[in-house]
Amino acid sequence: NAGVTQTPKFQVLKTGQSMTLQCAQDMNHNSMYWYRQDPGMGLRLIYYSASEGTTDKGEVPNGYNVSRLNKREFSLRLESAAPSQTSVYFCASSEQGSTYNEQFFGPGTRLTVL
Amino acid sequence: AQSVSQHNHHVILSEAASLELGCNYSYGGTVNLFWYVQYPGQHLQLLLKYFSGDPLVKGIKGFEAEFIKSKFSFNLRKPSVQWSDTAEYFCAVNVFYGQNFVFGPGTRLSVLP
Repeated sequence: NAGVTQTPKFQVLKTGQSMTLQCAQDMNHNSMYWYRQDPGMGLRLIYYSASEGTTDKGEVPNGYNVSRLNKREFSLRLESAAPSQTSVYFCASSEQGSTYNEQFFGPGTRLTVL
Repeated sequence: AQSVSQHNHHVILSEAASLELGCNYSYGGTVNLFWYVQYPGQHLQLLLKYFSGDPLVKGIKGFEAEFIKSKFSFNLRKPSVQWSDTAEYFCAVNVFYGQNFVFGPGTRLSVLP
């Protein structure tokens, strides 16, 4: 039982390049989330998916797209990376609809955009 | 919209000192409350959570938190900190059956040996 996994762990991009961050969970959770973490700002929600086939914008969606590929996988795509997207990205999942909907987090991806 | 504030940006304590980290949220309805910890270089892990019932919640590693509804607060406490408690601590709020978690900005705790 791996929980939430993310790939890659580290990535360096040049401005304008594109990339996809991958996330998978094996807990059969309905809901999945993408956050970015910046110093002094806590975690900010980029996009979330309440269930397979649905996605919704969070607090900071600009410059990102997501795909809920199936119940297990939720990817985050940067089409044209910008230095402002340098951050640590965390994926999380939860059993939405339950009273006990704590979120479980992946190990993070540290992205640097030059 | 919900918001979460944490009183301290950086707290520095000596080992064996007592800890209290403040957390306030803004939402008038029923909420779920969480404290997460992030050790250096690691992902967020749940310390404790409150959904209902006894407002004093006990979590892992000797941490506890008290929900005071009238003050919209959920402060984290530990009677005696250890060097291994050095980490960043995040308070989070989730509206009951809501989709979104809202995290506070975090409090960095440094415990000196």
